[in-house]
Amino acid sequence: DTVLTQSPALAVSPGERVTISCRASESVSTGMHWYQQKPGQQPKLLIYGASNLESGVPARFSGSGSGTDFTLTIDPVEADDTATYFCQQSWNDPPTFGGGTKLELK
Amino acid sequence: QVTLKESGPGILQPSQTLSLTCTFSGFSLSTYGMGVGWIRQPSGKGLEWLANIWWDDDKYYNPSLKNRLTISKDTSNNQAFLKITNVDTADTATYYCARTLPGDSYWYFDFWGPGTMVTVSS
Repeated sequence: DTVLTQSPALAVSPGERVTISCRASESVSTGMHWYQQKPGQQPKLLIYGASNLESGVPARFSGSGSGTDFTLTIDPVEADDTATYFCQQSWNDPPTFGGGTKLELK
Repeated sequence: QVTLKESGPGILQPSQTLSLTCTFSGFSLSTYGMGVGWIRQPSGKGLEWLANIWWDDDKYYNPSLKNRLTISKDTSNNQAFLKITNVDTADTATYYCARTLPGDSYWYFDFWGPGTMVTVSS
């Protein structure tokens, strides 16, 4: 299975720019997607196909990368962005998720 | 407006079969390209994809659980189902269903249900 590795946690101040990384154990081309999950809620799609912004998601969120290295950028970060962010690949079978990065605001 | 909602037994005993239902609206599983997937999440942990079913009744399973999983659909009633046989405590989790859309040689989950908690305990 394709293993996706994320840093476990980040802390930033509101108004700053934050990048959340996801590294794949093998190439996933552009088949990488990003989700936001707040406590007690279901995941919400932010980015699909590595860089496509899901409808209704603020333009503060952006995604980049291809192959094995991917980044989710939030600029500027707002207080409401406190959540865990998961990457997920569906290029290789089976689809797999990263362990999540918990974003905390200072 | 796309919505999905999962339902399940809440609690069941080891070795029993877990039956989950996903009732959705705002789309049809008979529409070309549409799919529904099941994903689970143990409390405080990460996400694990379980299975997907597509508009043409094509089915995909996570190989690590494949011999225990059965996914199906009832297109006329806008429902998808997942059965997991021979459950044990490791199957305790929140189970989500999610609409699945195809992209350029990949697919992704664009709408998720709120999840249903399942506890396996004797």
